[in-house]
Amino acid sequence: QVQLVESGGGVVQPGMSLTLACAASGFTFSGYGMHWVRQAPGKGLEWVAVIAFDGTYKNYADPVKGRFTISRDNSNNMLYLQMSNLRAEDTAVYYCARWDSSRYDPWGQGTLVTVSS
Amino acid sequence: QSVLTQPPSVSAAPGQKVTISCSGGSSNIGDFSVSWYQHLPGTAPKVLIYENNKRPSGIPDRFSGSKSGTSATLGITGLQTGDEADYYCGTWNSNLNAHVFGTGTKVTVL
Repeated sequence: QVQLVESGGGVVQPGMSLTLACAASGFTFSGYGMHWVRQAPGKGLEWVAVIAFDGTYKNYADPVKGRFTISRDNSNNMLYLQMSNLRAEDTAVYYCARWDSSRYDPWGQGTLVTVSS
Repeated sequence: QSVLTQPPSVSAAPGQKVTISCSGGSSNIGDFSVSWYQHLPGTAPKVLIYENNKRPSGIPDRFSGSKSGTSATLGITGLQTGDEADYYCGTWNSNLNAHVFGTGTKVTVL
């Protein structure tokens, strides 16, 4: 079945870097735009970044612009989010999601990133 | 803070109906279609409605969506205990060049 599985979360100190991964299966990964969305503790959903199906277009939310980089490996059905200069306010559960005909479907189960000294 | 405003919470008894509003502006809901997501803590969010009023396969017709001008509404009829969750609207915002989500609404079944 169509599935997304995130990995790479953990506890990091402020200013450090971390890379999240999202493994896709059950569909033609190279045919879809992909997004990262996060949810900070006690907060709502926040869009983070998007990458086009072929990687030629990328865009980021203002709070992460210049610090996060989204990328993909279509040959291995993988999506990535490189996060640098992490801040306490980046603490959140990070979800990858497929953009399919005007909706996010499916979503992964999420991976928790905690930025703390 | 989000540019899409939802009520923090709504509640009703089992079998009753609730509606959740999502208020935006001309640069988001006014110009783009809306989707709705159900999110239970610790699980992956799930799409309930897309393109304002369409249901993906497997979503019961107890869930409905509508849009008028710069606002959208999610309706849930025949409320069940399993419907207790957080619900978010979402759409594109041309001013921000970003996808935006609503502030979220917690549904409680009394």
